Amino acid sequence: GAVVSQHPSRVICKSGTSVKIECRSLDFQATTMFWYRQFPKQSLMLMATSNEGSKATYEQGVEKDKFLINHASLTLSTLTVTSAHPEDSSFYICSVSGSSYNSPLHFGNGTRLTVT
Amino acid sequence: QKEVEQDPGPLSVPEGAIVSLNCTYSNSAFQYFMWYRQYSRKGPELLMYTYSSGNKEDGRFTAQVDKSSKYISLFIRDSQPSDSATYLCAMSVPGYGQNFVFGPGTRLSVLP
Repeated sequence: GAVVSQHPSRVICKSGTSVKIECRSLDFQATTMFWYRQFPKQSLMLMATSNEGSKATYEQGVEKDKFLINHASLTLSTLTVTSAHPEDSSFYICSVSGSSYNSPLHFGNGTRLTVT
Repeated sequence: QKEVEQDPGPLSVPEGAIVSLNCTYSNSAFQYFMWYRQYSRKGPELLMYTYSSGNKEDGRFTAQVDKSSKYISLFIRDSQPSDSATYLCAMSVPGYGQNFVFGPGTRLSVLP
């Protein structure tokens, strides 16, 4: 399956600052990556689909100006949480689908964001 | 009714027990079914991926799909303390990854 590297694993920032999370597909070129958010004891919620070379597609209710996604290469997508607030504190996980149609998702190890 | 229902647990079993984890779903368009294991503060790890109804076995893990009942199961034989984690079921319609729906996960503790 796909190998996905996510960095950092944990970040603490002050309210009002911005945080960038990187997601790398290590073993194949991913034209599409997915960003999920997970609250404690809750399921994964898709935030946005990151498309290489084009704009990301955001799910309903997700603020695109707050969660900036850049997919500048076939192996790297970044999620920037802008002007972070305590309510943005969460577990953010990126994933890639395999190169084949109907491939399962493979996830990075997630980033625990804490906004103080 | 939620698209995917899964008992959140927690479920505690003694080491060596057979564990049964289940999900039900309502959307008959789901064609692909997955089980993920998620350790605390880590991303989900793919355990099983199935398409057809029936059983699929991989080591101590068996995934079972019953499309007619819209019911999937994951069985863990000879459970170990290292199996203690949250298990997420997931399902999708045909596509390139945009159409996955996840259950909330069942937290499992295997006691030594």
